[in-house]
Amino acid sequence: GIQVEQSPPDLILQEGANSTLRCNFSDSVNNLQWFHQNPWGQLINLFYIPSGTKQNGRLSATTVATERYSLLYISSSQTTDSGVYFCAVGPGTGTASKLTFGTGTRLQVTL
Amino acid sequence: NAGVTQTPKFQVLKTGQSMTLQCAQDMNHNSMYWYRQDPGMGLRLIYYSASEGTTDKGEVPNGYNVSRLNKREFSLRLESAAPSQTSVYFCASSGKDSFYGYTFGSGTRLTVV
Repeated sequence: GIQVEQSPPDLILQEGANSTLRCNFSDSVNNLQWFHQNPWGQLINLFYIPSGTKQNGRLSATTVATERYSLLYISSSQTTDSGVYFCAVGPGTGTASKLTFGTGTRLQVTL
Repeated sequence: NAGVTQTPKFQVLKTGQSMTLQCAQDMNHNSMYWYRQDPGMGLRLIYYSASEGTTDKGEVPNGYNVSRLNKREFSLRLESAAPSQTSVYFCASSGKDSFYGYTFGSGTRLTVV
C-alpha cells in the first residue's frame, strides 16, 4: 500500500513564528488531505489538496503530485495551532476515497 | 449543528464482551469510514462504506464487523472484545463535494480490560 511519511515528527515554536510541515508519499494519489487534531482529540479538515496551492487565513498548502510531496505552511503561529497535524492520501478520485494517514507532526506553540 | 455524531464517547469493556459503536451523519454524504487511532500512530482504516448498501475491509478489519444501516448511519461492532482493541475510534464521512473532504466525529475512547 501507499506509504506516507511526515516530517518533522515534533516541532516547538514560539508564538508568531512560521513553520513548514512536509508530507512525502510513495505512489501516485488523487486525494490528499491535511488535518489538525487539537489537544482535545478533535480532528478538523484543513485542506483537500491533491494538487496545486490553497490558502485559508494563516494556513496554506501546496502539493506537487508529480514529485509526491505536500507542504503545509503555518504563518504567525498561535497557541491555538498546537496539536498534531496529519497528512492523509488515497488513490480514489474525489472525496469518497479511503485514506492512508501519516504518523503526524506534533506542534507545540509556546508564549 | 450538522456533522458526524458518535456514541458512546467512552466505554470500558471486559475481555470477551461485545458492543456496537454508533455513527450518524446529517450531511447527506455517500461514504462513511471507521478508523482507529493508537498512541503515537496515525489513523488506520478498519472498514468503509463507499455508498449505502456496500461495505469493504480496510487495513485492520480483524475482530470487527460493520453495518451500513441507511445513508445516515454506519455502525461498528466488536463481537468479542480483546485488549488489543483498546483504542480511540473515529467515524468519518465524505461526499461528492471535493472542497471539504472528510468530516470526523469526536471519537469513542474504548478500553478493554
